[in-house]
Amino acid sequence: ELKVEQNPLFLSMQEGKNYTIYCNYSTTSDRLYWYRQDPGKSLESLFVLLSNGAVKQEGRLMASLDTKARLSTLHITAAVHDLSATYFCAVDGDDKIIFGKGTRLHILP
Amino acid sequence: NAGVTQTPKFQVLKTGQSMTLQCAQDMNHEYMSWYRQDPGMGLRLIHYSVGAGITDQGEVPNGYNVSRSTTEDFPLRLLSAAPSQTSVYFCASSPSYYGYTFGSGTRLTVV
Repeated sequence: ELKVEQNPLFLSMQEGKNYTIYCNYSTTSDRLYWYRQDPGKSLESLFVLLSNGAVKQEGRLMASLDTKARLSTLHITAAVHDLSATYFCAVDGDDKIIFGKGTRLHILP
Repeated sequence: NAGVTQTPKFQVLKTGQSMTLQCAQDMNHEYMSWYRQDPGMGLRLIHYSVGAGITDQGEVPNGYNVSRSTTEDFPLRLLSAAPSQTSVYFCASSPSYYGYTFGSGTRLTVV
């Protein structure tokens, strides 16, 4: 059974700092997704990672995938307040996409 | 292009009532799923479909039914509502292996 674990679940950080969110999963998959959710809103797709070693970057966010380690990371560079949100990773396993519990990111000015 | 449309946006039900949450997409996506979101639990998969006529159970299917008679529509039926089904429900669709596009959600309260 596919399990997806994110850590940390909550992160408070200051503007300008760097940090990494980790996403581990339990069974073989080479398709992983990152989403962002603002309070009271739906989910917005950030990154689609479709192979081992895939790396995608958008602004201050960079995501990578290591299928051998069953690990994806979402790295935040020089955080700004606008990046405050909840970030979810999701893993595709046998046509089912299973989500982690999310990382609530709070960036302090 | 409307994307994924969910109705209603808000609903209050009494315990024991039944209802259908509607989901429609106009992108000709094969894959569709229903999730529920509860505080601290992330999104949990209820049911999913890989094409018209094909559905399967997710992580938390009990108390819910689905059908997929057309590519566009994927309704979620609550058979006999319970307070434990109070949640925000999201429908999502995908063309396969490219991640989901989500609807705006339905906030359901069962009293």
